[in-house]
Amino acid sequence: QLQLQQSGPGVVKPSQTLSITCVISGDTVSSTSASWNWIRKSPSRGLEWLGRTYFRSQWHHEYAESLRSRISISSDSSKNQFSLQVNSVTVEDTGVYYCARLGAAAYGSKLYYYGLDVWGQGTTVTVSS
Amino acid sequence: EIVLTQSPDTLSLSPGERATLSCRASQSVNSIHLAWYQQRPGQAPRRLIYGASDRATGIPDRFSGSGSGTDFTLTISRLEPEDFAVYYCQQYGSSPLTFGGGTKVEMK
Repeated sequence: QLQLQQSGPGVVKPSQTLSITCVISGDTVSSTSASWNWIRKSPSRGLEWLGRTYFRSQWHHEYAESLRSRISISSDSSKNQFSLQVNSVTVEDTGVYYCARLGAAAYGSKLYYYGLDVWGQGTTVTVSS
Repeated sequence: EIVLTQSPDTLSLSPGERATLSCRASQSVNSIHLAWYQQRPGQAPRRLIYGASDRATGIPDRFSGSGSGTDFTLTISRLEPEDFAVYYCQQYGSSPLTFGGGTKVEMK
């Protein structure tokens, strides 16, 4: 059964770096059909997609425009996990962070995506000095 | 970026009643790339519907999705106590993936 287990600090000081890791069991980060996403929830912005990583012959990374200058998503096939880093955090980065799989099934040469089907448990991050 | 607007913000209903939630997109969305999620307090979102109308595994048949183009609907035919939660629509066909602002279904 696919599970995503998140780990990361709950409190980060302003201007420092937020780092969260999502460990995958029941699938592989290098799957050629899935993509691995980060989403956060905050009172001011609701559910906000932050970015994703996926492997299709090579690694791809996509980021939300609003965070592009401060965000990095990486993957580690040896540990079957992917990670989020947000630099220079402010109080606006306070929220609950989730990792999630965008699942897909292959039909011939095409992929049929079926939404964010599995989520991590969430990591509550507070930016505070 | 595809903007999703959900209405109403809050729906006050009683158990057993029917709930109809709306999601409108700023541009046409391929219906195979539209999903609905339920989020209860303290929990991660849970996928209910994908492809606009396909129920995810284990989701009761009182939940149904419909729509195409820019207008999509989630219907809960008879509300159960555990259905009082926040519901989000989401498109995953183009990057950035986007969510609606959510509709809270609260007990009247």
